[in-house]
Amino acid sequence: GEDVEQSLFLSVREGDSSVINCTYTDSSSTYLYWYKQEPGAGLQLLTYIFSNMDMKQDQRLTVLLNKKDKHLSLRIADTQTGDSAIYFCAEGSLSGGYNKLIFGAGTRLAVHP
Amino acid sequence: SQTIHQWPATLVQPVGSPLSLECTVEGTSNPNLYWYRQAAGRGLQLLFYSIGIDQISSEVPQNLSASRPQDRQFILSSKKLLLSDSGFYLCAWSVGRTSGGNKEQFFGPGTRLTVL
Repeated sequence: GEDVEQSLFLSVREGDSSVINCTYTDSSSTYLYWYKQEPGAGLQLLTYIFSNMDMKQDQRLTVLLNKKDKHLSLRIADTQTGDSAIYFCAEGSLSGGYNKLIFGAGTRLAVHP
Repeated sequence: SQTIHQWPATLVQPVGSPLSLECTVEGTSNPNLYWYRQAAGRGLQLLFYSIGIDQISSEVPQNLSASRPQDRQFILSSKKLLLSDSGFYLCAWSVGRTSGGNKEQFFGPGTRLTVL
């Protein structure tokens, strides 16, 4: 069945780079997403990548996709305390007329001085 | 621009009481709508999705139901709450009835439900 896995915690020093990893199982996924959730809030889309791409860069964010290994990563350059949040990886595919997203459990990123 | 609202923001209810959570979307028509639950320290579980008025599908059997009385209104209900219904409930929307392209989901601010 479909499954998305992420490590649960990551701690980095302010100014360093953060790399959050994700693996997924559905080879028919068309888009892969990274969402950010700050405490007590909803999810905010950070970035997404089409499944036929292997890299996407958006300011401090770099997404790498290894479709063969079904591995997705999110790199945050120059991590700031405001980046502390839970980051969710999700795979998307069309199913029954709607965009079905399968989410990982989320990686809690803690940024310390 | 599109916005999505949820209310209430927080709710504390006794076991066995009814529940009604509301979600409304503005600035778009015929959206796909979704209800998710996020249990403490866990990922998102899709509860219901809807591709149109009165067209609702359930992803998991549970103590909850959903209704879509209007195009941009999605309601999550229960007749009798259980302790296990506690969690953070998120509503989301995506563009409906398109044949391809990115279909990201946009999330509301969530409702934190505590059942005592």
